Amino acid sequence: SAVISQKPSRDICQRGTSLTIQCQVDSQVTMMFWYRQQPGQSLTLIATANQGSEATYESGFVIDKFPISRPNLTFSTLTVSNMSPEDSSIYLCSGDPGGNEQFFGPGTRLTVL
Amino acid sequence: EDQVTQSPEALRLQEGESSSLNCSYTVSGLRGLFWYRQDPGKGPEFLFTLYSAGEEKEKERLKATLTKKESFLHITAPKPEDSATYLCAVQGVKTSYDKVIFGPGTSLSVIP
Repeated sequence: SAVISQKPSRDICQRGTSLTIQCQVDSQVTMMFWYRQQPGQSLTLIATANQGSEATYESGFVIDKFPISRPNLTFSTLTVSNMSPEDSSIYLCSGDPGGNEQFFGPGTRLTVL
Repeated sequence: EDQVTQSPEALRLQEGESSSLNCSYTVSGLRGLFWYRQDPGKGPEFLFTLYSAGEEKEKERLKATLTKKESFLHITAPKPEDSATYLCAVQGVKTSYDKVIFGPGTSLSVIP
């Protein structure tokens, strides 16, 4: 298993600004994932981050809006750029320690005014 | 295209009233099916992985089973602390980068 922490846990931001979310894993993981979860909805995958290569984005998500860094096997960041109220959501990161199961962080609750 | 549906959308049980949640999936070759529990304001908590039809996994009052087209999460004599949203997810053999597809979830409420 893996224990994952995220910072910040929540934030309120003004439109047009950017927020960087940090994700830290207590062990090395090959794959890390970033999800968005709207209130009352299931998880939507934003992108997959593999250490040493560019992130792979899902349809509807682009690097200019959601740049991701993966500098090592225990850390990743997701930036939500040029925010609008439609970006208000919970952002979750997860890690796959190698057994196919993903373990999730507690999430970052973002509100954009 | 890989797809996951879950039913019912919401389920309300009396404490001690056993029931089952359903997860139906369409995938071109199943690599794994996963069950998660999510409490409000928290990230999903991993429960089980099932790999092949006929497989069963148990944890306390929960038992997960798998057929070729669906999985069931059986809850025996539930308690109020079992109240949560239960998410099912699948990973296909043709899936790139180990990603999984999540279902919409079943919101379970257990009333004392």
